[in-house]
Formats: sequence, structure tokens, C-alpha cells
Amino acid sequence: DTGVSQDPRHKITKRGQNVTFRCDPISEHNRLYWYRQTLGQGPEFLTYFQNEAQLEKSRLLSDRFSAERPKGSFSTLEIQRTEQGDSAMYLCASSLVSGGGYSNQPQHFGDGTRLSIL
Amino acid sequence: QQQVKQSPQSLIVQKGGISIINCAYENTAFDYFPWYQQFPGKGPALLIAIRPDVSEKKEGRFTISFNKSAKQFSLHIMDSQPGDSATYFCAAASGGYQKVTFGIGTKLQVIP
Repeated sequence: DTGVSQDPRHKITKRGQNVTFRCDPISEHNRLYWYRQTLGQGPEFLTYFQNEAQLEKSRLLSDRFSAERPKGSFSTLEIQRTEQGDSAMYLCASSLVSGGGYSNQPQHFGDGTRLSIL
Repeated sequence: QQQVKQSPQSLIVQKGGISIINCAYENTAFDYFPWYQQFPGKGPALLIAIRPDVSEKKEGRFTISFNKSAKQFSLHIMDSQPGDSATYFCAAASGGYQKVTFGIGTKLQVIP
């Protein structure tokens, strides 16, 4: 399978703990996105990378959240001091940007990491 | 502020019928309108997409109708099948398509 891969698929943790999720994009894709989806809602944009550079962060991404894409390949999303409100599905997507920075390539989503805070 | 409004939130259609989902947007900078299909436990998958320079796009049983002046677009699923039962999201993006703004979703159930 050469799609977007996310690990773990499920994470249960106690409030106050730190968690880290990993995303492996489609190999030739240079853009990587993180979204959060709560029950009964559509995904909400969190942040995106072009290669290793983090180019935009949503106001939803509080100081407790940090994302990295150190070598322009896989990415990690860390949540520190988790809170009940962090319970959600965290989705990763990737796409290929064409020349000039404009992309008409669709984003391909992984199956997400479901985070449950006890 | 909900930038993409979607209705209905749930829809029950009989097999063979037409499923219609409607969306409206506010931001005139949006220039790409994809529809995603999501099954339980899976990520969203791109179904069909349209740009505002066309009023309709058809792919198989799925058709997007687009009304730029009204800032509305809709998805029609013809000959709906039980396998189409899923949650459908309309969405919008602008410029370099850096981020997608999703609607709230429509849970479609196609009954035999």
C-alpha cells in the first residue's frame, strides 16, 4: 500500500500526558497537512509543511501542539499536557505541489489516529 | 464562523434513488471545491471536484452542480446504492490549495 500511513491508529492516554503521532506521506509528495476531526464534524486544518518548512499554523494549534517534518519526509505531531478537549481523530494528508507553488493536486488522507483522553 | 455550510446533516434514500447534498460558501477567494467520502474508521477520500469556471461536472453516478453567483454547489448521486452509505463532506480551498475548509458532513444511508 503506497497511501498515507499514520501510526498509531488508536491512542488512549491519561489527561496531562504527552502523546506523539507519526505520519508517513505518499513518497513523492512534498506537502504534508495535519487536520483534526471531532465526532460529527468535518476535518479542521491544523498546519501544513512544504518539504521540511512549516508554512502555516491554524489558531487551533495551541502552544501545547508541535509538529515537525525534519527531513521533508515523515512528520510527527506532539501534544503536550493533554486535555479532555484534545480527544479527536488526527488526520494527516499529503499532496504534490507543482511548479510555482500552486498545486492542483488533491490531498490524499490517511486513516487517522484516534486519540482518547481518560 | 462556518465558511462552508452543508445540508442536510443526515439523509436516507432508497436504493436506486437520487441523493442530493447542498453546500454554500462565503469566501469568494475559494476556487476549488472538492467532495470527500468517508467511511467509518477511515480517512476522507476524494470523490469528485470542480472549479468555478464550469457549472457542472459528472463522473459516473456522481455529479457536482455549481452556481458561482449564488455561491452554492451540490452533489447528486444517481442510482444510489447501499455501498454509497457513508458521510459526505463538501469542501473548499483557495490559491495554492494549501488547506481545505470542510463542511459539517452529511451522513447518507441508502436502504434496500
